[in-house]
Amino acid sequence: QKEVEQNSGPLSVPEGAIASLNCTYSDRGSQSFFWYRQYSGKSPELIMFIYSNGDKEDGRFTAQLNKASQYVSLLIRDSQPSDSATYLCAVSDWAAGNKLTFGGGTRVLVKP
Amino acid sequence: EAGVAQSPRYKIIEKRQSVAFWCNPISGHATLYWYQQILGQGPKLLIQFQNNGVVDDSQLPKDRFSAERLKGVDSTLKIQPAKLEDSAVYLCASSLPPGGSTDTQYFGPGTRLTVL
Repeated sequence: QKEVEQNSGPLSVPEGAIASLNCTYSDRGSQSFFWYRQYSGKSPELIMFIYSNGDKEDGRFTAQLNKASQYVSLLIRDSQPSDSATYLCAVSDWAAGNKLTFGGGTRVLVKP
Repeated sequence: EAGVAQSPRYKIIEKRQSVAFWCNPISGHATLYWYQQILGQGPKLLIQFQNNGVVDDSQLPKDRFSAERLKGVDSTLKIQPAKLEDSAVYLCASSLPPGGSTDTQYFGPGTRLTVL
């Protein structure tokens, strides 16, 4: 049974600070790693994906992947109240048909 | 480019009734997924189609759930009979065929099902 674990939160951060979210996964065969943002009552929307070890930056977001330790993280710089949402980590294995296995999500609250 | 379309957006039924959901993927996306998201949890894959063939339905409760994608485009997901524990949001997603950097999945708005 493939598992993806996230701290459910809430993670409370002041506006302008850095929010740091972590995710661990059990399947060493996982090859693609995704971060989705989900506002209350809405569907998940893709923030970014990462395939290779190291950091990947996109605007205020940075994803970090460490396959040896089986964890992936997301940093949100200069956090804004509009970043308040649940962040879902998902992993997939191309050999398994790209099925996404999601974590339970981390709820982030950015306080003005 | 139009996104993934789903209908209805909301549905309330009594237990033991049947219900059907519809999904139209992004044009050109050969792979279609149905997920179930229970409140407070991450989405769980129910079934994956590539074109009109089933790739993975290992987590679909086949005694009550069924899905089809007859012409390789639209898809329907049916529950018959519904149970209280089926109350959830049913999400449809689509992607280009798997295998590399183009395998990002895009989600529709979801159908919120309440079983009373």
